[in-house]
Amino acid sequence: DQQVKQNSPSLSVQEGRISILNCDYTNSMFDYFLWYKKYPAEGPTFLISISSIKDKNEDGRFTVFLNKSAKHLSLHIVPSQPGDSAVYFCAASTASNTGKLIFGQGTTLQVKP
Amino acid sequence: EPEVTQTPSHQVTQMGQEVILRCVPISNHLYFYWYRQILGQKVEFLVSFYNNEISEKSEIFDDQFSVERPDGSNFTLKIRSTKLEDSAMYFCAHGGRLWGTDTQYFGPGTRLTVL
Repeated sequence: DQQVKQNSPSLSVQEGRISILNCDYTNSMFDYFLWYKKYPAEGPTFLISISSIKDKNEDGRFTVFLNKSAKHLSLHIVPSQPGDSAVYFCAASTASNTGKLIFGQGTTLQVKP
Repeated sequence: EPEVTQTPSHQVTQMGQEVILRCVPISNHLYFYWYRQILGQKVEFLVSFYNNEISEKSEIFDDQFSVERPDGSNFTLKIRSTKLEDSAMYFCAHGGRLWGTDTQYFGPGTRLTVL
């Protein structure tokens, strides 16, 4: 049961352009969403999060958008930099459980110089 | 950002052997999680541990797995009799709602290789 889905396994963009990573979810009980960045053989690094009471959260070059009616969120990176190349995971949690995170499958972002 | 360290960074073991993976938070936390990631797959929740008790566990977390906080600082995940399919990266995380934030912070992971 894939409650969180990232349908694009990979994305390639040019340095300086916008990267848009997408994530869909099925569980309407999710009320908190996070994006993590991960390099091989390292732990996930927290990037940005958004509560379900908001539809946008911005932190520097990173912006997360939440569309609750579509059960869709996206991460925008502007401008993209080669150091952004990594695997990006979206994750979700609900207030009704212990806060465990349900992860998507990840999207590999490659930013070309 | 709060930090968590994990030891060892890489563990190689024979099938059927017991392994203990350790997580050491930098400061005093009450709420911990273990996750794993099989190569090429997504990160999966294993267990949450609050105030020295398991608060939730997934179907993966069967009788072969156990967690404890033996000395009030280290937080351990034990696999009693490892199987080939236990080969994965294992991540400890802390944070979560009872800590006052919904964000979980992950350690660098332990790569477990079962031969």
